[in-house]
Amino acid sequence: GAGVSQSPSNKVTEKGKDVELRCDPISGHTALYWYRQSLGQGLEFLIYFQGNSAPDKSGLPSDRFSAERTGGSVSTLTIQRTQQEDSAVYLCASSWSGPPSEQYFGPGTRLTVT
Amino acid sequence: KQEVTQIPAALSVPEGENLVLNCSFTDSAIYNLQWFRQDPGKGLTSLLLIQSSQREQTSGRLNASLDKSSGRSTLYIAASQPGDSATYLCAVTGGAGNMLTFGGGTRLMVKP
Repeated sequence: GAGVSQSPSNKVTEKGKDVELRCDPISGHTALYWYRQSLGQGLEFLIYFQGNSAPDKSGLPSDRFSAERTGGSVSTLTIQRTQQEDSAVYLCASSWSGPPSEQYFGPGTRLTVT
Repeated sequence: KQEVTQIPAALSVPEGENLVLNCSFTDSAIYNLQWFRQDPGKGLTSLLLIQSSQREQTSGRLNASLDKSSGRSTLYIAASQPGDSATYLCAVTGGAGNMLTFGGGTRLMVKP
């Protein structure tokens, strides 16, 4: 079946602009995660959605970052007033439920802020 | 705060060798541990998932062990092939939250 998909695959934006990154999880998966992979920080957790529960936003680095999940499926990660340090690969993952289920990752969106 | 460490950071071996990648974590209160593979410019592919109650998992030439009490896991790759060249990441779930906490990865190169 189809895996986790993300769009766009690459995004180049100017400092100060807003960007939206999209994630389509595996059909039926109730849990959805966003992670960021950057050269200096490795792979780090950003936000977690589980069903209709309030999301766990504990990993968001600043209030410029927000995410929503509509209809329990597609998720959008929004970064406002982008900064150069936001340049990274943004990865989305989904699983059947919360832990201890296996997480499946999408191909990622490479964001470059110039 | 959970911290995950992977040793070595990079490894180069000739084709056919058996090898071991190491992962350690500081908080033993985990739900599970996952090993991933990442090819350059690609996302993460899940290789093995070990639940906290399990000691090991096997898939083909791969075998992962878990010693939760000592905070260690190993990934054993038998009869390595050039196609195994990639970065291998271990990650744990549990402790302070529901997210995966990742190690820094081991970059493996298998030479023909």
